[in-house]
Amino acid sequence: AQSVTQLDSHVSVSEGTPVLLRCNYSSSYSPSLFWYVQHPNKGLQLLLKYTSAATLVKGINGFEAEFKKSETSFHLTKPSAHMSDAAEYFCVVRGLTGGFKTIFGAGTRLFVKA
Amino acid sequence: DSGVTQTPKHLITATGQRVTLRCSPRSGDLSVYWYQQSLDQGLQFLIQYYNGEERAKGNILERFSAQQFPDLHSELNLSSLELGDSALYFCASSPRDLSSYEQYFGPGTRLTVT
Repeated sequence: AQSVTQLDSHVSVSEGTPVLLRCNYSSSYSPSLFWYVQHPNKGLQLLLKYTSAATLVKGINGFEAEFKKSETSFHLTKPSAHMSDAAEYFCVVRGLTGGFKTIFGAGTRLFVKA
Repeated sequence: DSGVTQTPKHLITATGQRVTLRCSPRSGDLSVYWYQQSLDQGLQFLIQYYNGEERAKGNILERFSAQQFPDLHSELNLSSLELGDSALYFCASSPRDLSSYEQYFGPGTRLTVT
């Protein structure tokens, strides 16, 4: 079975400081992992994805994530937060179980203080 | 703009009624996915179609059904509506039916059941 856990429901940072959004996953097979962002009253936008190539994945808007199989983690980071990063972030796992079901984490709301 | 379109944007209806939500995938995408986003349940995968055939099923109620037509657009039918069905319904599409492909999300349909 697959599952994904976002360890923080809310994260608050100051503008210009690093961002860390934590995600742990569980999958019987080598999964594909994604991070999506959702701004208020908007749809979801893909930030980055991991699909068994390089373990350090770079995405849009300066975000990156590192796949760590031994820790079953896929944490999202950004060196310097911007006010426009304030949004909800979702970690997503897809695997081979039951026909590529897509499992979303509960989401982490990122607040950025001026 | 992801290229995925959903209609209508908003829908208000009464309990016991039936509604149809429509989704047009990105040009060339063969896979369509439906999701429900609510405050208490988060983002839940409902169902996936690939080139007209059902490929994966998630937490979709028996009162809900979907189909994908030959022109690849999809419809989600919700019947015997209950207050708890009020949610944001997203459609997403991807080129193929592989777990490594990212999904492109539409803007969503906000359903309010009164």
